[in-house]
Amino acid sequence: DGGITQSPKYLFRKEGQNVTLSCEQNLNHDAMYWYRQDPGQGLRLIYYSQIVNDFQKGDIAEGYSVSREKKESFPLTVTSAQKNPTAFYLCASSIVGGSGANVLTFGAGSRLTVL
Amino acid sequence: QKEVEQNSGPLSVPEGAIASLNCTYSDRGSQSFFWYRQYSGKSPELIMFIYSNGDKEDGRFTAQLNKASQYVSLLIRDSQPSDSATYLCAGNYGGSQGNLIFGKGTKLSVKP
Repeated sequence: DGGITQSPKYLFRKEGQNVTLSCEQNLNHDAMYWYRQDPGQGLRLIYYSQIVNDFQKGDIAEGYSVSREKKESFPLTVTSAQKNPTAFYLCASSIVGGSGANVLTFGAGSRLTVL
Repeated sequence: QKEVEQNSGPLSVPEGAIASLNCTYSDRGSQSFFWYRQYSGKSPELIMFIYSNGDKEDGRFTAQLNKASQYVSLLIRDSQPSDSATYLCAGNYGGSQGNLIFGKGTKLSVKP
């Protein structure tokens, strides 16, 4: 079945540690995204990528980093510079261009808690 | 500031009734709008999208877009308890890839 796999589902981090969230898709989508969701809030865009080896900052990129070495993979690193990282992180993908360009398919999410 | 505004609710309707969810947006440059449903603790799933003025129907769901008044709505006919979820409205600004602005969502509760 085609879809997006995020891991881990739950992650606990001590202050000062970097953590990496995995996102893999087999939908053959060119574009991939990372969103953050806080309780009672909408989704906010962290980073997105339309093509391998290229990515753009979203609205809240500070304290995060990404890479896009393969079309299928778009890992997100939450660095120690992110002051309030506790949140629900969602990876998504879509085609590029056309009416479906912003039709996002989401992974199941990763819930990060800072201890 | 490009924003998408939604009433956070909760909106409570009896089973079988029509649920009406509304969304307003601040930028006339928005071209298309998306409604996602999110169950508690789960990821959002697309219900439908609309980019032309008027109505778009898909089963029990109807999306309505009024660009002059800058609002989007989602009607759910014959509401079921399984429709109880948070509904997120999102707008695409300027047609650029990845520029979806999400509202905070409206929580819908359908009572049996």
